[in-house]
Amino acid sequence: QQQVKQSPQSLIVQKGGISIINCAYENTAFDYFPWYQQFPGKGPALLIAIRPDVSEKKEGRFTISFNKSAKQFSLHIMDSQPGDSATYFCAATPTDSWGKLQFGAGTQVVVTP
Amino acid sequence: DAGVIQSPRHEVTEMGQEVTLRCKPISGHDYLFWYRQTMMRGLELLIYFNNNVPIDDSGMPEDRFSAKMPNASFSTLKIQPSEPRDSAVYFCASRGGEPYNEQFFGPGTRLTVL
Repeated sequence: QQQVKQSPQSLIVQKGGISIINCAYENTAFDYFPWYQQFPGKGPALLIAIRPDVSEKKEGRFTISFNKSAKQFSLHIMDSQPGDSATYFCAATPTDSWGKLQFGAGTQVVVTP
Repeated sequence: DAGVIQSPRHEVTEMGQEVTLRCKPISGHDYLFWYRQTMMRGLELLIYFNNNVPIDDSGMPEDRFSAKMPNASFSTLKIQPSEPRDSAVYFCASRGGEPYNEQFFGPGTRLTVL
């Protein structure tokens, strides 16, 4: 069963706009929430990650917002650029399976010039 | 470091043939993961190893799939016999050291079973 649900499936945004991807998890026993970025023909690469003891983490134009009570977290890409066009995956690590990642289905982001 | 190395990058085979995918993790990493990626099912964890020992193989779809890690620098994923529904991109990833929990993925092997 899919324990991490991701939406939307795809997203088109204009250059300079904000891309927002949402994820919700069902299992409360997760303790680490990374986002991975994947370009065509490449493996996923870690973009940014957050632990449940903080509500927000920002790295450059990328921000994770985390709502523990709602069991939701989201990725915001500010000032989106054509080079951000990729597939983004949210993920979560179960506390009883240290190191194991449960991935969302992925969101394909296209940034138009 | 060269990162995670996978071979071959592309494999085309016929149904019923044996397929072996290879992975060299990043030196010093103590975890190794095998994933399968398809449009329908997304990224699925097949099996992972810690210090060369299989920890969780619950994602291996059936007995046709097997994985080994004979030493810290090499792992194989074998499919025998292969079927068209095994067509996918197979990723190897490794983890170790800092930052916490980051998995480094290889470039993947695109498998096509005709």
